[in-house]
Amino acid sequence: QVQLVESGGGVVQPGRSLRLSCAASGFTFSTYAMHWVRQAPGKGLEWVAFISYDGSITNHADSVKGRFTISRDNSKNMLFLQMNSLRTEDTAVYYCAKAKRLQWERDVFEIWGQGTMVTVSS
Amino acid sequence: DIQMTQSPSTLSASVGDRVTMTCRASQSIIRWLAWYQQKPGKDPKLLIYDASSLESGVPSRFSGSASGTEFTLTISSLQPDDFATYYCQQYNTYSFTFGPGTKVDIK
Repeated sequence: QVQLVESGGGVVQPGRSLRLSCAASGFTFSTYAMHWVRQAPGKGLEWVAFISYDGSITNHADSVKGRFTISRDNSKNMLFLQMNSLRTEDTAVYYCAKAKRLQWERDVFEIWGQGTMVTVSS
Repeated sequence: DIQMTQSPSTLSASVGDRVTMTCRASQSIIRWLAWYQQKPGKDPKLLIYDASSLESGVPSRFSGSASGTEFTLTISSLQPDDFATYYCQQYNTYSFTFGPGTKVDIK
């Protein structure tokens, strides 16, 4: 069974850092692109970051560019989001998501994790 | 960046109604558009991809269509389980933009 489990969320002060993790299982992790998506309380979905199946291509939303970094460890079936210089507006549920098709880069998000809450507050 | 808009923002309907909602892209995305359903407190669920392909396990009452930069999600006969928020998303570029959503609530 395909499963994504996020962890690492919590309460953090503005300006501090946090690292989110996403543990993947039930599929060949190294052959699928992955994403982070967030949802602020009561708001819509916002794509945050993308990484290709082999990690050679990444992209980040303008709202987090220069502060957040997506990465992956295919040997451990893990996806990460390093979040630096956090702002109050980064408060959201953060989801990891798996692309649908093998080795496709620009693809739909087939499977989502349950999300991890990040609260940025002083 | 490509901008996505959705209309209406809220749609009130009854069980059994045929429901249609629209998503527009600010420029051509060919057919690289998906529809997701999200219920409160839950992760989103993929319904439609490539504008009109039904995701495995999704009921056939859901369908998608495309005309230029305008995309439509139709629910042929609304069921109690369908009251939710629906998001479109483009994946034509490496910036995977979501629309603001259409909330379907009970009339």
